[in-house]
Amino acid sequence: DQQVKQNSPSLSVQEGRISILNCDYTNSMFDYFLWYKKYPAEGPTFLISISSIKDKNEDGRFTVFLNKSAKHLSLHIVPSQPGDSAVYFCAASGGGSNYKLTFGKGTLLTVNP
Amino acid sequence: DAGVTQSPTHLIKTRGQQVTLRCSPKSGHDTVSWYQQALGQGPQFIFQYYEEEERQRGNFPDRFSGHQFPNYSSELNVNALLLGDSAHYLCASSLGGKEKLFFGSGTQLSVL
Repeated sequence: DQQVKQNSPSLSVQEGRISILNCDYTNSMFDYFLWYKKYPAEGPTFLISISSIKDKNEDGRFTVFLNKSAKHLSLHIVPSQPGDSAVYFCAASGGGSNYKLTFGKGTLLTVNP
Repeated sequence: DAGVTQSPTHLIKTRGQQVTLRCSPKSGHDTVSWYQQALGQGPQFIFQYYEEEERQRGNFPDRFSGHQFPNYSSELNVNALLLGDSAHYLCASSLGGKEKLFFGSGTQLSVL
């Protein structure tokens, strides 16, 4: 039972355009969501997060949107750069005394020059 | 400021053997979590250690055990290795176990 789903295994965009990565979840107890970026042979790197009390969080070129009613979140990267090419993981936490992160399978983003 | 360090980076074992992976958390962090990442999958939570005790455990058999030392470093032990244990093992540290985890580069374990 996959509680966090990233239905697009890969995404290809042109440099300078917008990249939109999507994530769906099924567990209504999740109240904190994160995006991690992973380069080959490295561990995941924290990118941006959002609490369930918000519907948007922005950090530079990265914006995360949360739609709780649809149990959906998305990561927007504007403008996309070749250095953004990596695997992006969506993760969720139940908060409280639940300390684990539940990850999606990831989306490979390729930004073409 | 050193980040999360893991050793070894690669390891090859045979079925039935035992393995120990090591992790040093980021400076100032007191909590260590371990994740298993199989090929093409997202990281799966194994367990978390805080104050030298296992605070939370994921859906992994008892063959997976761990330890946290007074200096907050941690070990992951896997007994009676199976072929299916072949994966990338990631250690992550945080302060107080909060959600923003800092990951190491991982240990690639191959079981033959």
